[in-house]
This record gives sequence, structure tokens and C-alpha cells, in this order.
Amino acid sequence: QVELVQSGAEVRKPGSSVKVSCKASGGIFSSYTFSWVRQAPGQGLEWMGGINPIFGTVAYAQKFQGRVTITADKSTSTAYMEVSGLRSDDTAVYFCATDRGGFFENWGQGTLVTVSS
Amino acid sequence: QSVLTQPPSVSAAAGQKVTISCSGSSSNIGNNDVSWYQQLPGTAPKLLIHENNKRPSGIPDRFSGSKSGTSATLGITGLQTGDEADYYCGTSDNSLSASWVFGGGTKLTVL
Repeated sequence: QVELVQSGAEVRKPGSSVKVSCKASGGIFSSYTFSWVRQAPGQGLEWMGGINPIFGTVAYAQKFQGRVTITADKSTSTAYMEVSGLRSDDTAVYFCATDRGGFFENWGQGTLVTVSS
Repeated sequence: QSVLTQPPSVSAAAGQKVTISCSGSSSNIGNNDVSWYQQLPGTAPKLLIHENNKRPSGIPDRFSGSKSGTSATLGITGLQTGDEADYYCGTSDNSLSASWVFGGGTKLTVL
């Protein structure tokens, strides 16, 4: 069973960027696809995009195309998600999860990103 | 507005059974497997059901899933106070806007 540990909470100003990390342990990193899901305060889950580290292929939800960048570093077993042009409505908890090609099996603990001037 | 439709809330007495519905379309549930997630307050979601009706190791058989056409259902029997949580359905979507979609979530209250 893979364990996902995410980076700590962040506070950013509107218009800036934030990069959240997700380190995997206990499994073979390249055997997983990683997705990022966010949850605004009091709201539901929203899929943002995902990456397959083996092939380097990335898919994004149309809503986040051009503003979100998902990458992975196989040497450190870490996936990353960067959001640029932050707005107040990007304030949310961001989760990484292992994507088994049909469901999300393991989840990180979540990273709170607060966007405030 | 979520692509998959769930009731905002359901409730039932401890020991009883409850079902949570998830309605979609041919671009998502109709042609893809459904999974269900439990989110306890302040925690990350947890996989409950995958591939419509399969339980991961460690998930009790009180939890069950089914799918028919463009809808799916999560069933929970023998309700316990510890089952109070938000429940989300999710599946792949073949449309251009997203590869994966979730329901809006259902808050379960155990009376």
C-alpha cells in the first residue's frame, strides 16, 4: 500500500503561484498514475488533472487548462501540482491520489492553500 | 453544479439501512465504472467501492455498490454513528471538459 505525504499549508496573494508536492512511499512510483483533486471550503470534490510518470503523459480538466501544471520526479517519487494566477476562489484543500485507471485508491492528507491579499 | 447528481443529505437511525443515489449520463456512468468515497470530517476521502461493486480490503461488507444504466447506488446496512460522513460517487467522463467527475456529495446523518 503506497503512502502519500503532501507538503504543508500555503498562503499566497492573488495573482501569485503555488506548487504543492506529493511524495509517495511504500510502492513502485512509476506503477501509479497520480491525480490532483481539490475541495473548496464546504464544497465537494473537483478533479483537476493527472499524470502518468511512466509515459509522462498529463491530462487536465478543461477548467484548469493553461493555469495548472502537473509534473512528476521519478528520482524522488514525488508528484507536483502548480497553480498560477491564483484567485480567491482557488482557496481550497488540494489532495493528491493514486489513480488506478478507474478509481482513486490512496490519498494524501491534503494541503490547504489560502489565497488572500 | 456537479456532473453527477447526488442527494445533498440522507439520514437513518442507527442499525438501519440507507441508500445513496448517483445519477449521470451516457458519457460518464453509462459507459464507465463507478467508485464511491467516504470523507469523514476534516480528513481525506477514502475509497469505499470501486468498479461499481467491489470493496477494497478492510472495507466491511455493510457497504455495497451497484450500477444500472446511467445511475449508481451506494448501500450501507447496520448504520453506526461512525458512518456519519460525506459520501461521493465518481467516474470517468468521455466528454472534453474533464476526464474524471464527482458527484456533489451526500451528507449522511445517523440518528
